[in-house]
Amino acid sequence: TQLLEQSPQFLSIQEGENLTVYCNSSSVFSSLQWYRQEPGEGPVLLVTVVTGGEVKKLKRLTFQFGDARKDSSLHITAAQPGDTGLYLCAGAANSGYALNFGKGTSLLVTP
Amino acid sequence: GAGVSQSPSNKVTEKGKDVELRCDPISGHTALYWYRQSLGQGLEFLIYFQGNSAPDKSGLPSDRFSAERTGGSVSTLTIQRTQQEDSAVYLCASSFSLAGGRGGEQFFGPGTRLTVL
Repeated sequence: TQLLEQSPQFLSIQEGENLTVYCNSSSVFSSLQWYRQEPGEGPVLLVTVVTGGEVKKLKRLTFQFGDARKDSSLHITAAQPGDTGLYLCAGAANSGYALNFGKGTSLLVTP
Repeated sequence: GAGVSQSPSNKVTEKGKDVELRCDPISGHTALYWYRQSLGQGLEFLIYFQGNSAPDKSGLPSDRFSAERTGGSVSTLTIQRTQQEDSAVYLCASSFSLAGGRGGEQFFGPGTRLTVL
């Protein structure tokens, strides 16, 4: 199993602050995905990054895939209470289908 | 709705009983996955179905766990002689399949929360 370590595990910030969540591994992944999960629901895909060094932006969210395709980061600018949730990174090995998930970062944004 | 549905949403059972969890994937998705999410843990891959191919059962934690996918659509995850450590949220996902057997974007259902007393 290719392990993904996420940090921090918990994050509580005030509305308007910026934050960065990290996802690290010693293994190389063919692609890496970020999901957001709310209580009582399944994870919802936010983005997939495929190319080493790739940067993708989704409104206030910026995702980066490391050059070596072993790590990724998620940066949120001017966080809002609606950003509250569990953020999960997941990596796909070259063999394809099954995803290896990190344990997640639980984010709380208070007004 | 066009999403992945799972039933029941919650299941409370006594230790030693058998349980069945159901997943209805998105119509047309040939790949179906089961994951388990325990408190404080990430999602743990359990089993993968792809079309008519033999399923990949490599993630099943013990022989008490089994799964079927009938007619290439609905799937049932069965846990026999449940133990307290089986308590978790069981998530199902489905996707299209890409070339080379790789899966496309996985769409998750809301999960079944299983509590074993």
